Amino acid sequence: NAGVTQTPKFQVLKTGQSMTLQCAQDMNHNSMYWYRQDPGMGLRLIYYSASEGTTDKGEVPNGYNVSRLNKREFSLRLESAAPSQTSVYFCASSVSQYEQYFGPGTRLTVT
Amino acid sequence: GDSVTQMEGPVTLSEEAFLTINCTYTATGYPSLFWYVQYPGEGLQLLLKATKADDKGSNKGFEATYRKETTSFHLEKGSVQVSDSAVYFCALSSAGGTSYGKLTFGQGTILTVHP
Repeated sequence: NAGVTQTPKFQVLKTGQSMTLQCAQDMNHNSMYWYRQDPGMGLRLIYYSASEGTTDKGEVPNGYNVSRLNKREFSLRLESAAPSQTSVYFCASSVSQYEQYFGPGTRLTVT
Repeated sequence: GDSVTQMEGPVTLSEEAFLTINCTYTATGYPSLFWYVQYPGEGLQLLLKATKADDKGSNKGFEATYRKETTSFHLEKGSVQVSDSAVYFCALSSAGGTSYGKLTFGQGTILTVHP
């Protein structure tokens, strides 16, 4: 099993550009999550999807949109990138409240 | 709201030393508590968990006990190895009986172990 996969691994954007981060899981998990990781701040939840067909805002949703395309895939879109969105983005999935499985991350730089 | 506070890092130890990383939390209700580990260049992996007061989570020689009276979940290991060098995150989940958990993380503690 591949677990949770994310693409791309690295990305550099100019301010104002848009892009979509892709995430897929092959564990048949119902719930999926997007986090951002910034130095000294741990991980913060951007959006989550408790089940296919539902999405909800997390702690830091401004500037992002998400799509739960099907049970496997959950994408994160930046419509107009800003330098403040420079971060490492992690996707995760879970089948219960007790454990989340994380992807390897996408390192995004916005100049 | 929920919050998690970890001891400031980085922590540098010699191999075979004793490790403690402090973690305290604020939450409503009865959260589940977790320690995640992130090795260089990788995503996070669950290290151990405890789902109710006085539970002890353990894995790979690491232990942590859910202390409701002190709202703490300190991570300990009796003898660290160079391969334990990583970033350690304390986290909680206040799912309130739902089937999913929104994790609240501490800021992370960088551990470096020297031979």
